[in-house]
Parts: sequence; structure tokens; C-alpha cells
Amino acid sequence: AQKVTQAQTEISVVEKEDVTLDCVYETRDTTYYLFWYKQPPSGELVFLIRRNSFDEQNEISGRYSWNFQKSTSSFNFTITASQVVDSAVYFCALSGSQGNLIFGKGTKLSVKP
Amino acid sequence: KAGVTQTPRYLIKTRGQQVTLSCSPISGHRSVSWYQQTPGQGLQFLFEYFSETQRNKGNFPGRFSGRQFSNSRSEMNVSTLELGDSALYLCASSLGTSGGLFQETQYFGPGTRLLVL
Repeated sequence: AQKVTQAQTEISVVEKEDVTLDCVYETRDTTYYLFWYKQPPSGELVFLIRRNSFDEQNEISGRYSWNFQKSTSSFNFTITASQVVDSAVYFCALSGSQGNLIFGKGTKLSVKP
Repeated sequence: KAGVTQTPRYLIKTRGQQVTLSCSPISGHRSVSWYQQTPGQGLQFLFEYFSETQRNKGNFPGRFSGRQFSNSRSEMNVSTLELGDSALYLCASSLGTSGGLFQETQYFGPGTRLLVL
């Protein structure tokens, strides 16, 4: 069975702190894709990154960085120098065998000024 | 490019009624997927349409159905509404290729919040 676990339900930090959101996945597929989405209070899921299972290079985009480790089935997301606008629910997702996204339960990040 | 649009944004219905939600994908996208989001179950896949055909289906009862038109716009219908159908319904679009939804990035709309009383 395919599964995504985001063990952190809620995280609260003060602005400018670094924060890491954890994501652990389970799949028997050898080829798969992993995603991160951000859901602000408005409800829309905003795409952040897609990573395929053959590319274990870490990626950095501005204050965002992602660490993919196949050996531990993890795809963690770090926000450096967090800002109030980063407050949202963040979802990690795995592309299932049918192509649908299998989501974790999400991590609610609150960044306080 | 305009993003995925969904109408209506909010809807209140009573038990037993039926409802139709609409989704317009990003221009050029041919695949449309629907997801249900509830506090208890999280985000769950309903179905995916590609070229006017349902290509994939999640584990939902037959009361949930959908269709896709030749312009890739999609509608989702829920018949005989139950209280548990109260949720945020999200539509996502992707390019739609022969390789399948599996390898594509799905872009989401703002959702339709459905409240069943």
C-alpha cells in the first residue's frame, strides 16, 4: 500500500527561525513522484515542488529547500528565515499507481511576528 | 495563463438534494481530477477525467459522479447528499499525456466549499 506520513500536526515558530517539515512515504513502486503543496487559508493548494524517485539531488529555491533521501523514504522541506506569509498548511504527496495524489495529513505552520 | 477555476465557491444544500460543481482547467490541460478534503479524512481522490473519459476512480460510492466536456471543462455531481458530504471539493488539472497522470504535476483550483444541512 502507498502511504504518506507527516508526523508533525502543527508547528509554531517565530519569524526568521528556520523550520523543517518532515515527510515519510511508503511505496513498492520503483518509479514514483513526490510533491509538496502549500494550502493558505483561502483553500487553494499551491504547487511547490515535484521530485522523481531517480533524482536524489537536494533542491533549493530561495528560502525553500528540499532533502530527498530514498534510503529513509523521506522528503523533508525546510524553510529558512521563516516569514509570517509562510503560515499555511503544507502537504506532502506521492503519485499513486493510478496517477492520483496520495496526501499526508498536512502540517500546519504558524509563523509569529 | 489563468489558473484552474471552480464554481460556485460556496454552496449550502440539505440532505437528500443533489449538487453539481464545475471546474475549468488551465488552458491546454486535458486532464481533470477531483479531490475531497475533510478534517477527518484529509485529501482523498475522487476521480480523473481525460479526453472526456473517466480514466481513474477513487474509493467513493456511486453517488459521486463526474463528466468532462470536449473543451476539457469538468463537472462533478453528488446525488442524495448526506451530512458527511460536507467538504471542500478541489479540482486539479494537468497537461494530460499518454504517459498518464502518474508523472504529471497537478495544479489546483480554489475549491468549492459544500455544506450539507
